[in-house]
Amino acid sequence: DAKTTQPTSMDCAEGRAANLPCNHSTISGNEYVYWYRQIHSQGPQYIIHGLKNNETNEMASLIITEDRKSSTLILPHATLRDTAVYYCIVRVSSNQGGKLIFGQGTELSVKP
Amino acid sequence: DTAVSQTPKYLVTQMGNDKSIKCEQNLGHDTMYWYKQDSKKFLKIMFSYNNKELIINETVPNRFSPKSPDKAHLNLHINSLELGDSAVYFCASSPISGLYNEQFFGPGTRLTVL
Repeated sequence: DAKTTQPTSMDCAEGRAANLPCNHSTISGNEYVYWYRQIHSQGPQYIIHGLKNNETNEMASLIITEDRKSSTLILPHATLRDTAVYYCIVRVSSNQGGKLIFGQGTELSVKP
Repeated sequence: DTAVSQTPKYLVTQMGNDKSIKCEQNLGHDTMYWYKQDSKKFLKIMFSYNNKELIINETVPNRFSPKSPDKAHLNLHINSLELGDSAVYFCASSPISGLYNEQFFGPGTRLTVL
C-alpha cells in the first residue's frame, strides 16, 4: 500500500471549513483513498473514500487531484465535535484481507 | 443497539498473567479485525478473520491467540502478559473481506500491564 504524508496538526475556527491535505504521490491505479477519524478515547470512524472522482457525503467532501498524487478532505462547517485525529489511508480494493495501515494522521483542533 | 462492542473497557493486570478481551458485532458482517494502538497512538492491525477463518496475522507474538467461535465474535486471548502489551486494543468489522467497505470499530479496551 502506498505511503501517505499529512501535516501533524491543524487548527480551524468553528463554523469555518476545515481543509485537511494528504499527499500520496506513490499511489497505484487500483488504490483507493480513505479517510478515517479518531475522536479522543473512541475507536476510529470511517468518513469517506474515493478512487479518482470527487466524493461527497453527509460528513465531508473528498477532492482528489487529477494525477491522484494528493487529496483534500473538506469538513464544510467544522464544529467543536470535529476535533479529532484524521487519517488518510490508501489501499487497494481487494488487498490482503482488508487491513488498514494507519499513519500518524493530522490532529485537527476546532476552536470557538 | 451497539454495532461493535468490546469487553472489558479497562483491564489492569500483572505481568505474566493470561487475559482475554471479547468482541461482538451485531452488523451481520463477515470479517472482523483486531488492532493495537500503542502509547504513541499508532494504530496497527494484528489479525483479521473472515467467516471464522484467519486471513491476516501481522507477525504478532504467539502469546496472542485470536479465537472466532462464530461470525459475530472475535476474542483475543493473551498469554504471559508483558509490560509492552499495555495498549488500547480495538476490534473492528466490515461486510466483505478485502473490498472497499468501511470498517466499523469498537470503543476499545485499554490494557494496562503492571
